[in-house]
Amino acid sequence: AQKITQTQPGMFVQEKEAVTLDCTYDTSDQSYGLFWYKQPSSGEMIFLIYQGSYDEQNATEGRYSLNFQKARKSANLVISASQLGDSAMYFCAMKVYGQNFVFGPGTRLSVLP
Amino acid sequence: GAGVSQSPSNKVTEKGKDVELRCDPISGHTALYWYRQSLGQGLEFLIYFQGNSAPDKSGLPSDRFSAERTGGSVSTLTIQRTQQEDSAVYLCASSLTGVLHEQYFGPGTRLTVT
Repeated sequence: AQKITQTQPGMFVQEKEAVTLDCTYDTSDQSYGLFWYKQPSSGEMIFLIYQGSYDEQNATEGRYSLNFQKARKSANLVISASQLGDSAMYFCAMKVYGQNFVFGPGTRLSVLP
Repeated sequence: GAGVSQSPSNKVTEKGKDVELRCDPISGHTALYWYRQSLGQGLEFLIYFQGNSAPDKSGLPSDRFSAERTGGSVSTLTIQRTQQEDSAVYLCASSLTGVLHEQYFGPGTRLTVT
């Protein structure tokens, strides 16, 4: 069975600094995708970034990058130049072909002015 | 284009009543998912529809919960004989296929069982 672990219930970062949110996963499948979502206090879930298990390059989307270490089964999210609007819950998720998404418990990020 | 929509946005019901929650996915998306999120918690998977395949119902917490997807588009999640522990936000998401595409979420339905 697939599992996602996010060991940081809460994180603080100073505005304009970079922050890394940890995510480790467990699967025996070779083909899978890893996703990060942001959930602000308003409640909507916003897709941020995707990494495929066969992708050789780390995914980047603007200020978001995914530090993918396949051998360690980790897919950490790096947010550069944090902004106050980045304060939110962040969820790491995994999907194996033909199966449903599995989400981690989330990390609450607070950006300090 | 239009995103995923859900209705109602809020629903208050009395314990023991049945409720129906509706999800309209993004047009052309073949995969549809239902999740439940209790206050301050993560997402709990409920059910997954992929095209014409039999749905993955492995996340439904009890036989009081059921869902259907008509015509490969709109989905309805039904909770019979609601209990107070059913109070949560019910989120629907769709994705282009059931392969490795990102999900797009609706705004959710907040269900309160009194």
